[in-house]
Amino acid sequence: DSGVTQTPKHLITATGQRVTLRCSPRSGDLSVYWYQQSLDQGLQFLIQYYNGEERAKGNILERFSAQQFPDLHSELNLSSLELGDSALYFCASSVGSSVTGELFFGEGSRLTVL
Amino acid sequence: DQQVKQNSPSLSVQEGRISILNCDYTNSMFDYFLWYKKYPAEGPTFLISISSIKDKNEDGRFTVFLNKSAKHLSLHIVPSQPGDSAVYFCAAKRNSGYALNFGKGTSLLVTP
Repeated sequence: DSGVTQTPKHLITATGQRVTLRCSPRSGDLSVYWYQQSLDQGLQFLIQYYNGEERAKGNILERFSAQQFPDLHSELNLSSLELGDSALYFCASSVGSSVTGELFFGEGSRLTVL
Repeated sequence: DQQVKQNSPSLSVQEGRISILNCDYTNSMFDYFLWYKKYPAEGPTFLISISSIKDKNEDGRFTVFLNKSAKHLSLHIVPSQPGDSAVYFCAAKRNSGYALNFGKGTSLLVTP
């Protein structure tokens, strides 16, 4: 158990809809990262928050947005969903900006768009 | 643009033998390299890392080798055990950056 909690574990929705994925980082971790794993793809970095502020942005679509709340939990909002958005979405956390790169991952939220 | 590449999608090894997983990268600015292991229905877990100032790091049965001139790293597992069967992801980052760049993973199967 990494200490990172993601909900929901599974989500099935239709194209055009909007969903919210939730992540609670490990106790004491200030950084939250979101990654997307599509079929046959590696983990694609989406966005990072550190202590409530956006720190880095990767390949995140404009239809997607995220935020980190004062209690440090984070939400990833996916809107106008398309079939290609079906993927595993992982949240990870670290104490700081993780110079050495060691992140602690949750079990992921599997999104299926029909 | 895939900056971290794992060209072998799968690898099968007999129990007790050595497993060698390979990884290539294109960005010469990467300073840290990591290997993560992932079991089905679980998130990736950190396995071992190496800084660009080293060429080898060992932790028990796991050793990572880094060849900076070739932009290549490898993970050696000796001896391999059935419990090592998992997907292994290679990852890299810049010291000044925040995000890990992952490869697509190699699925390792260790057979009894």
